[in-house]
Amino acid sequence: EDQVTQSPEALRLQEGESSSLNCSYTVSGLRGLFWYRQDPGKGPEFLFTLYSAGEEKEKERLKATLTKKESFLHITAPKPEDSATYLCAVQGGYGGATNKLIFGTGTLLAVQP
Amino acid sequence: EPEVTQTPSHQVTQMGQEVILRCVPISNHLYFYWYRQILGQKVEFLVSFYNNEISEKSEIFDDQFSVERPDGSNFTLKIRSTKLEDSAMYFCASLGLAPYNEQFFGPGTRLTVL
Repeated sequence: EDQVTQSPEALRLQEGESSSLNCSYTVSGLRGLFWYRQDPGKGPEFLFTLYSAGEEKEKERLKATLTKKESFLHITAPKPEDSATYLCAVQGGYGGATNKLIFGTGTLLAVQP
Repeated sequence: EPEVTQTPSHQVTQMGQEVILRCVPISNHLYFYWYRQILGQKVEFLVSFYNNEISEKSEIFDDQFSVERPDGSNFTLKIRSTKLEDSAMYFCASLGLAPYNEQFFGPGTRLTVL
């Protein structure tokens, strides 16, 4: 069964204090790993897609990396506006798959000024 | 920038009543999804829809649920007889054609069943 585990559940950082969030996954035939940001009471906001081990994507203070078993979301010099829940999701399966996403429970990030 | 919209933002209903949640996906997208998120839990897949038919559904999506694309723009989720455990945020998402593989989510409808 496809599964996604995220750690830590919650992370509190001081502004400027860099850190990483982890997403471990087991999936039959990884077709994509996705990172989303979710603010309270809102829908997930797309950040990155990673397709193969070794791939990296960057956007402002965020960098996502992928290995065969896990992905990391690195946050460099975070600001209070980076506070949110970060969700990891995988898409698995082979030909004819429907692109459904399997989500982890997320990491709640709080950045203190 | 194109976005997925959902209405209403909050729906309160009595147990046993029917509700219809509405979504307007991004206009040139072809794949449509419903997910739900019970408070404090993970986002869960409900159903995917392509070419006017369901392409996959989860165990959650039982006979009480149905989806429809009644016209060229709307995508709806109907719950025939709501239960207390249906209380959740319901998110609509849409996906365009390859090579793009990112699903874009709407802001959600908070369903409260009393």
